[in-house]
Amino acid sequence: AQSVTQLGSHVSVSEGALVLLRCNYSSSVPPYLFWYVQYPNQGLQLLLKYTSAATLVKGINGFEAEFKKSETSFHLTKPSAHMSDAAEYFCAVSPNSGYSTLTFGKGTMLLVSP
Amino acid sequence: GAGVSQSPRYKVAKRGQDVALRCDPISGHVSLFWYQQALGQGPEFLTYFQNEAQLDKSGLPSDRFFAERPEGSVSTLKIQRTQQEDSAVYLCASSLGSLSTGNTIYFGEGSWLTVV
Repeated sequence: AQSVTQLGSHVSVSEGALVLLRCNYSSSVPPYLFWYVQYPNQGLQLLLKYTSAATLVKGINGFEAEFKKSETSFHLTKPSAHMSDAAEYFCAVSPNSGYSTLTFGKGTMLLVSP
Repeated sequence: GAGVSQSPRYKVAKRGQDVALRCDPISGHVSLFWYQQALGQGPEFLTYFQNEAQLDKSGLPSDRFFAERPEGSVSTLKIQRTQQEDSAVYLCASSLGSLSTGNTIYFGEGSWLTVV
């Protein structure tokens, strides 16, 4: 069985500040890991994914995430927040073999203030 | 369009009514998924198709929920005798192949179901 835990249902930052959204996973097999973003009344958009290549993954809109096996973590960061980054962010995991689907965390709402 | 298309975008159903939600995946995508997202929660897996075969329906919450993909492209999620707890966004997603080979899942904008 696999699962993800996102620490903090809400994270508030000021525009220009560092964004850090935390995700820890639990998986019996080496996983693939994903971050998705969801803007109000829209579907999920893939930000980035880790599929066992480089541990530091760069995504769209200046986001990146680092896979740390020793910490079972896949935290999402962005050096400087922009107002347009305000949205809900979901971490997800899938096994890297056989049939697989995504298991999502509960999400973290990112609030950006001017 | 090039993305996953879902209809209707918004549906209000009276309790006890049957509803059908349609999903048009990206052309050529073999894998199709349905997820349910309750307000303030992450998406939860409902069912998975590979072409026309429903390989996993372990997430369907009750026998009132039924999904089909008869020709391996368009899929329909049907909910019979809707109840208030069925109110949620129903997300459809597709991918070219299996996630285990590095394929990406692409999501539609969802069908928002409100049961009154």
